[in-house]
Amino acid sequence: AQKVTQAQTEISVVEKEDVTLDCVYETRDTTYYLFWYKQPPSGELVFLIRRNSFDEQNEISGRYSWNFQKSTSSFNFTITASQVVDSAVYFCALRSAGFQKLVFGTGTRLLVSP
Amino acid sequence: DTGVSQNPRHKITKRGQNVTFRCDPISEHNRLYWYRQTLGQGPEFLTYFQNEAQLEKSRLLSDRFSAERPKGSFSTLEIQRTEQGDSAMYLCASSPRDSSYNSPLHFGNGTRLTVT
Repeated sequence: AQKVTQAQTEISVVEKEDVTLDCVYETRDTTYYLFWYKQPPSGELVFLIRRNSFDEQNEISGRYSWNFQKSTSSFNFTITASQVVDSAVYFCALRSAGFQKLVFGTGTRLLVSP
Repeated sequence: DTGVSQNPRHKITKRGQNVTFRCDPISEHNRLYWYRQTLGQGPEFLTYFQNEAQLEKSRLLSDRFSAERPKGSFSTLEIQRTEQGDSAMYLCASSPRDSSYNSPLHFGNGTRLTVT
């Protein structure tokens, strides 16, 4: 069975603080793909990043960075110098090769105040 | 690329009524997905189409739910005899032809259903 756990329900920070969103996943499959999506108040899920199970390189994109650790089944997401526009619900998701179904975590609501 | 379009944005209905939602995927995307998202939860997979063929269905898709994609373009999701537990956001997503499993899905804004 596949499962994604986002233990942080809600995080509140003040603008310019760094914040890390945790994601822990479970799967028995050897080939799988991990994703992060952002859901602003408008409701549309916006794709942020994907990572293949065989590629453990971490990635930085502007203020965003991702830390994939297969040994701990974690795929954490860090926002550096947070901004008010970062306020949204962030979802981590898992998909196994051969399956169309994308399994989402319960999301972490990030509130960035000025 | 005009994005995935869903209509209506909001639907309020009385218990027992039938409702139908529409999804227009990004043009030339042959893969289409329906998800349901309840308050405080992540989206849950309902069903998947490749062109007009419905290839996967979740156990969440009870016999009151039916999805179609007759010409391989837009899709409809119908809920018959709605129940209060059907209240949720219904999300549609699409992905391109020949996309691999690591390809992201492109989501629409969703249709929020409230059953009173």
